[in-house]
This record gives sequence, structure tokens and C-alpha cells, in this order.
Amino acid sequence: DVKVTQSSRYLVKRTGEKVFLECVQDMDHENMFWYRQDPGLGLRLIYFSYDVKMKEKGDIPEGYSVSREKKERFSLILESASTNQTSMYLCASNKMGAAQVGYGYTFGSGTRLTVV
Amino acid sequence: KNEVEQSPQNLTAQEGEFITINCSYSVGISALHWLQQHPGGGIVSLFMLSSGKKKHGRLIATINIQEKHSSLHITASHPRDSAVYICAVLRGSNYKLTFGKGTLLTVNP
Repeated sequence: DVKVTQSSRYLVKRTGEKVFLECVQDMDHENMFWYRQDPGLGLRLIYFSYDVKMKEKGDIPEGYSVSREKKERFSLILESASTNQTSMYLCASNKMGAAQVGYGYTFGSGTRLTVV
Repeated sequence: KNEVEQSPQNLTAQEGEFITINCSYSVGISALHWLQQHPGGGIVSLFMLSSGKKKHGRLIATINIQEKHSSLHITASHPRDSAVYICAVLRGSNYKLTFGKGTLLTVNP
């Protein structure tokens, strides 16, 4: 069964901490995405990556960075966590050209991050 | 105005009812996705559509490109269908999805 695995379901961190959220996929997908989901706002794209070491800013990249050193792993980094980054974080992946050949997205189970 | 609008925001049904969730969008798209999110967070991709209609079990998704509208139908609804249903559109070759805010469906036994 194909999978996108997020390393933690729940995390509690202190303001100012550096936080790493890890995402691993086993489908050899080129594209990987980080979203955050907040009540009333839906899912918003933070960053996405279309290849190893390649990244592109999404709609809300401020306060975040990403790392993709290997094809299967995409990390989201909160450089200095703040309370307004308390949210559900979802990782997703899909294959290059997915829309053209009818492939969808595969999502992870999410990480609920609380910054106190 | 949001580029992707879903209606209704909340929907309560009795087991066995036929359910329709609507999605309207205001931009040109290359594909539209319907997603399901159960309590606890994980999202499952139900359908990807670029035209016409798709069916999987009791779920049917349709899209009208000219009217910029899609519907998700659930026949013979069941309490296990209770979830948030999310519409998302893909624009051109851009791999970024734009999401609706979701429809919370509750099916009572």
C-alpha cells in the first residue's frame, strides 16, 4: 500500500524553538507539498518541491523553510516557532504530470502542532 | 471572493439519504479533485476529474467545465460517510491546488 508518512501525529513545542516536521513517501513521486490547515481557512500551501534540492514558495511561506535532500523525504522547518504557527500540517505527494495522466495526490495523516 | 466555493458548509442527513455537495470555481482549471477528511486529519483522494463523470461505489462526481461547477453525490448514505469533503482545483500545469473550505457531512443512523 502506497504511503506518505509524517513522523509525528501530535507535537507540542515552545515559542522560539526550531521545529522539524518530517515527511517520507515510498511511491517515487517527484512532487511533494507541505500544507497547513486552519478552521475557516481550509488548506493553504506553504512550500512545494518538484525535485531533490528544488523548492518553490507557496502561498504562506513566511516563517518556514524546507529541505529536500533525498527524493523520498521532504522536511518542513519552523525556524523559530510562534503561537500563530499552531495548526494541522499535512504533507502530500504526487507524480510529475499527475493531472495529465489522471493521478491524484496522496496525503499523510497530518501533524497537529501546538506552540505554547 | 474565494476562487473555490463549496456548499453547503454543513450537512446533516439520515442514513440512506441521497447527498449532494456542490463546488463552484471562478478560474480556468486543468483538473478538479474531491477529497475526504475523517476526524483525526488524514485526507484521502476520492476523485480527479477534468470532464464528465466518475463513479466509485456509492460515490459519483460530475463536472461541468462550461459552468465551472462540480458535484459530489453519495447514494444510500451511511454513518461511516461522515467526514469533511473538500473540493480542490488544479490550474494549468501549475502543481499547486487551490482548496475550498470543505463541507462537514454528518450522517445519523
